[in-house]
Amino acid sequence: QKEVEQDPGPLSVPEGAIVSLNCTYSNSAFQYFMWYRQYSRKGPELLMYTYSSGNKEDGRFTAQVDKSSKYISLFIRDSQPSDSATYLCAMSAGGGFKTIFGAGTRLFVKA
Amino acid sequence: GAVVSQHPSWVICKSGTSVKIECRSLDFQATTMFWYRQFPKQSLMLMATSNEGSKATYEQGVEKDKFLINHASLTLSTLTVTSAHPEDSSFYICSASPAGNTEAFFGQGTRLTVV
Repeated sequence: QKEVEQDPGPLSVPEGAIVSLNCTYSNSAFQYFMWYRQYSRKGPELLMYTYSSGNKEDGRFTAQVDKSSKYISLFIRDSQPSDSATYLCAMSAGGGFKTIFGAGTRLFVKA
Repeated sequence: GAVVSQHPSWVICKSGTSVKIECRSLDFQATTMFWYRQFPKQSLMLMATSNEGSKATYEQGVEKDKFLINHASLTLSTLTVTSAHPEDSSFYICSASPAGNTEAFFGQGTRLTVV
């Protein structure tokens, strides 16, 4: 079993839809949770960063962490074609431990 | 957010030659930088952890003599692919974290093509 599981998709939605991206994990030591967006042939860009459980909102993006279920989500409201990219979840126990990445979900937002 | 610059963004080299990729943290110091490799439509594969002033820590299966890592200062790490072969063609990405932070910031990546 992988430490982090993420459905690779692809996920195709119409413009304006609410997108839900998810990851599950097995390591209860993970405390730091991140979402990255990666456009084709580019390095990943940090979108959201959360510590422990709870919600965090930034513009159209909301990150949720449920440590009891070992489940994290990223919601994108009013999705735009420019949101089309691969979204990677990542998590770490901190304290110098490695960051573990999900496989990435490819998202297509159609105009 | 913090800025990490990676150079070159793409390079084509002949089989058997060596290629050096630079990773710089522009507005923060990074005692640790990470090097990843990414194949098309796949996630990031950690190759090694670069530590300033000491030897890099390589992941299992990564040849340390082939992928030379040097972290000579708090803002610069280099990855040298020695005696490159076509199977080394890939997208190489570095990341760094400001001291005391956990979130990693990535360079723009280097696409290496070995012909």
